[in-house]
Amino acid sequence: GAGVSQTPSNKVTEKGKYVELRCDPISGHTALYWYRQSLGQGPEFLIYFQGTGAADDSGLPNDRFFAVRPEGSVSTLKIQRTERGDSAVYLCASSLKLAGAPEQFFGPGTRLTVL
Amino acid sequence: AQKVTQAQTEISVVEKEDVTLDCVYETRDTTYYLFWYKQPPSGELVFLIRRNSFDEQNEISGRYSWNFQKSTSSFNFTITASQVVDSAVYFCALSERNRDDKIIFGKGTRLHILP
Repeated sequence: GAGVSQTPSNKVTEKGKYVELRCDPISGHTALYWYRQSLGQGPEFLIYFQGTGAADDSGLPNDRFFAVRPEGSVSTLKIQRTERGDSAVYLCASSLKLAGAPEQFFGPGTRLTVL
Repeated sequence: AQKVTQAQTEISVVEKEDVTLDCVYETRDTTYYLFWYKQPPSGELVFLIRRNSFDEQNEISGRYSWNFQKSTSSFNFTITASQVVDSAVYFCALSERNRDDKIIFGKGTRLHILP
C-alpha cells in the first residue's frame, strides 16, 4: 500500500511569505505527527494529532506555526511570515494509535528554503 | 528531562568490519520506548527496531543486533559484517509513555562503509 506522502517535495520562498506543507498519512492511521529536521540534526517534534484534534502542540516554536487536520486524515502545516531560520526539512509521520508507542511511518519530507 | 545522546558524530569502517553505534538516554519515566531509525541518502527515515523499557533482552535481526542495558541507560546498535548499503545516518530515539508517543531523537551518527 501507499506510504506517507508529502507535498511539495521542495519549497523555496522569500522571507516574510506564507507557506503550506501538506501530509497524506497512511490510510487508516489515526495518529499524525510533524517533525522538523535541520541540517546535521535529528528530527525535532512539532505537533501530534489524534484524529482531528491536536493532542500535543508543545513543539511548535512560536505562533507563526500552525497545523490542521480537519477530517482526521490529511494535515497541513502552515507557516506565516517565514524567516530564514525556518529553513529545514519538515517530516510527517503517521501511526495506528495503539498502546505502547507504535511504529511511526515517516514520509520523504518537504525541504523548505527561506531566502 | 528526556534526552538522547549519540556521542559518535561520524564513523568510517571498511566493508565487512563490525561496527557499533552508541546511544545513551535520559528519562524520568519508568515506562518508555527506545528506537533506532536509519536515514539513507534518499532522506526517508526507516524504522529498524522498538524496545520497551521492561524488555532488556538483546535482539538480533540478520546482521543487526541491539544491546539494551538499563543499568547504564544505553541502547547500542551493532552491524556485523558491514556492507556499503549500510552507509546512512542512524538515529537513536526515545518515547515516554506519558508523552503521547512523541519521539525524541538523538543527533544521529553518520556511518560510512568504505568498499
